[in-house]
Amino acid sequence: AQKITQTQPGMFVQEKEAVTLDCTYDTSDPSYGLFWYKQPSSGEMIFLIYQGSYDQQNATEGRYSLNFQKARKSANLVISASQLGDSAMYFCAMREGNTGNQFYFGTGTSLTVIP
Amino acid sequence: NAGVTQTPKFQVLKTGQSMTLQCAQDMNHNSMYWYRQDPGMGLRLIYYSASEGTTDKGEVPNGYNVSRLNKREFSLRLESAAPSQTSVYFCASSGLYYRNEQFFGPGTRLTVL
Repeated sequence: AQKITQTQPGMFVQEKEAVTLDCTYDTSDPSYGLFWYKQPSSGEMIFLIYQGSYDQQNATEGRYSLNFQKARKSANLVISASQLGDSAMYFCAMREGNTGNQFYFGTGTSLTVIP
Repeated sequence: NAGVTQTPKFQVLKTGQSMTLQCAQDMNHNSMYWYRQDPGMGLRLIYYSASEGTTDKGEVPNGYNVSRLNKREFSLRLESAAPSQTSVYFCASSGLYYRNEQFFGPGTRLTVL
C-alpha cells in the first residue's frame, strides 16, 4: 500500500484565494512526522511545514497551515492568499518514528496560480 | 553554512560510462539520502545511510552503489550508465528523529545518451 497519497495531479487557484492540497497517509506507527515541500520550476526542494503525530494543534507557518485529521489519516496543506510565486509542485512526505530513517513521498500536486 | 552541496550540477554521459555524484552536508546530520526524480514523478529513494558506516537500499537501487565516506559525505556511483538512468538526482540529509525534516541539495541533472 502507498504510504503517502496525493490524489490531485494538478490544481488551479485564483490569485489571493485560498487553496487546499490533499494528502493522506498510511502508517501503524504511533510516532510519525508529516512534511510538506515546495518545488518551484527552478528545481530546488523547499521545506514548508511540519506536523507531528502527537501535536494537538494544526501547524502553521505564515500563509501555510496544515489541516491535520489524525483519525482520517489526512494532512492537507492550506495556502491562504495565493500569490503567483506559489505556482510550483508540492510534495507531502512522512517519516515514521520507529521503523527507520526513510521518508516516504507522494507523487506531488502541481499548483498554478492564475492572475 | 552551505547546507547540502552536490557536484556536478549537470552531466552528460555515454551509455556504459561510469561516474560518481558527490554530496556533502555541514549540518552534522546522521542520515543522508539519494533520490532520483523523473518527469511527472515524485522522488524515488535510491539508497540511504542512517549513520556513518551504514547504507541501505531504497526503492530503486539497481545500477547504483553508494559510499558513506564519513559523516559529512555520501557519494552515489553509476558503474555502467544506461539511458534509463537519465534523471535529476537529489541528495538530502536529516537529523535522527522523526520530527527532523530533510534538507536537500540543488540536484544534479544527468543525461545518459
